Amino acid sequence: DTEVTQTPKHLVMGMTNKKSLKCEQHMGHRAMYWYKQKAKKPPELMFVYSYEKLSINESVPSRFSPECPNSSLLNLHLHALQPEDSALYLCASSQWLAGSSSYNEQFFGPGTRLTVL
Amino acid sequence: DQQVKQNSPSLSVQEGRISILNCDYTNSMFDYFLWYKKYPAEGPTFLISISSIKDKNEDGRFTVFLNKSAKHLSLHIVPSQPGDSAVYFCAASEVTGNQFYFGTGTSLTVIP
Repeated sequence: DTEVTQTPKHLVMGMTNKKSLKCEQHMGHRAMYWYKQKAKKPPELMFVYSYEKLSINESVPSRFSPECPNSSLLNLHLHALQPEDSALYLCASSQWLAGSSSYNEQFFGPGTRLTVL
Repeated sequence: DQQVKQNSPSLSVQEGRISILNCDYTNSMFDYFLWYKKYPAEGPTFLISISSIKDKNEDGRFTVFLNKSAKHLSLHIVPSQPGDSAVYFCAASEVTGNQFYFGTGTSLTVIP
């Protein structure tokens, strides 16, 4: 099983709503990532978890709150978002933290298309 | 500061011909490189990777070449097929790092 799943596939929310994005992998990977991607741009790293501990927070606004309940799950809690936060949110996982070794491919989920009204 | 660059935002190739996508990097500590393919509204799909101890890695129609002295890698797709039309991202990581760095992407169109 080389699959990373994400729910929901699409999400429309108002600026006062609270919602959560979910990500799951069953490959035994110990590193998980959240990216934000705008059209025609590369994925932009938001958070990295390694062994369920937050390893990187790329100066992401506090209206985005990550959570790693266990080694297979990664959540991204959203609150009071702005219209400019509308994007494709991608979850990814890799066996180890990037750079730990070669042949450490990062697998991406299909993404959640988020629209903030 | 963009450490991984793809200077061609788009490329068009005739079906059956070779597609060559290029990627340059600035960080000499990068030692592992990957190529991803992305369709619109989907997550990137891993294609092929190469370690800095090699200069070539081949997988079916896809071959990645690495020139460390020039800090340059390329992805060759031969023969190109219409289903290869997508955006291609190169990415890199360094041995002591903790993240992957992505290029800006090249949109490939294979014309039937």
